[in-house]
Amino acid sequence: GAVVSQHPSRVICKSGTSVKIECRSLDFQATTMFWYRQFPKQSLMLMATSNEGSKATYEQGVEKDKFLINHASLTLSTLTVTSAHPEDSSFYICSARSGTAKETQYFGPGTRLLVL
Amino acid sequence: AQKVTQAQTEISVVEKEDVTLDCVYETRDTTYYLFWYKQPPSGELVFLIRRNSFDEQNEISGRYSWNFQKSTSSFNFTITASQVVDSAVYFCALSARRDDKIIFGKGTRLHILP
Repeated sequence: GAVVSQHPSRVICKSGTSVKIECRSLDFQATTMFWYRQFPKQSLMLMATSNEGSKATYEQGVEKDKFLINHASLTLSTLTVTSAHPEDSSFYICSARSGTAKETQYFGPGTRLLVL
Repeated sequence: AQKVTQAQTEISVVEKEDVTLDCVYETRDTTYYLFWYKQPPSGELVFLIRRNSFDEQNEISGRYSWNFQKSTSSFNFTITASQVVDSAVYFCALSARRDDKIIFGKGTRLHILP
């Protein structure tokens, strides 16, 4: 099946710093990528949807100025957590979908963010 | 509005027992997709199955089977002869063609005891 990677897999940062997470589709062109957040022992909550070359669409309650999403190419989307705070500590998962098989999303392995 | 309900928060069974994980969904769309994912402690989501709304046939894959019933809006998942390696969180999810987002249920944490 299609492969989606995320980098880094784990990151620890100080409060107030910004953190960038990359999501790459390795063997297909991802016209759409999704970013999810998962707090411990909770479900995955969709944060935003990004289509290549256009602005991301954020879910209600997600601050677009805090969670910057860039989808500049068909194989790469980035999520930047700006001025991170301890409450941003979470597991961030991306998924990618090609333009031809829209019913299938391929999930990345996730990134664990810990903000001290 | 779309919604996925997994009423069982946590289940514990002894190894080799059969276990069924319940999933009830809500959607107004006539075309939609249902999914099951497994999330082991590592965190990575493992895709198990996708079923579209026009295919009500039950499916069996090894020890796993799925029962899709549109009449009750349910898509239940059964593990036969459970094994310790089946211990994980299982998520049921829904996606509608009109809105391509995947909506996840809250998950069921399954413990298989040796």
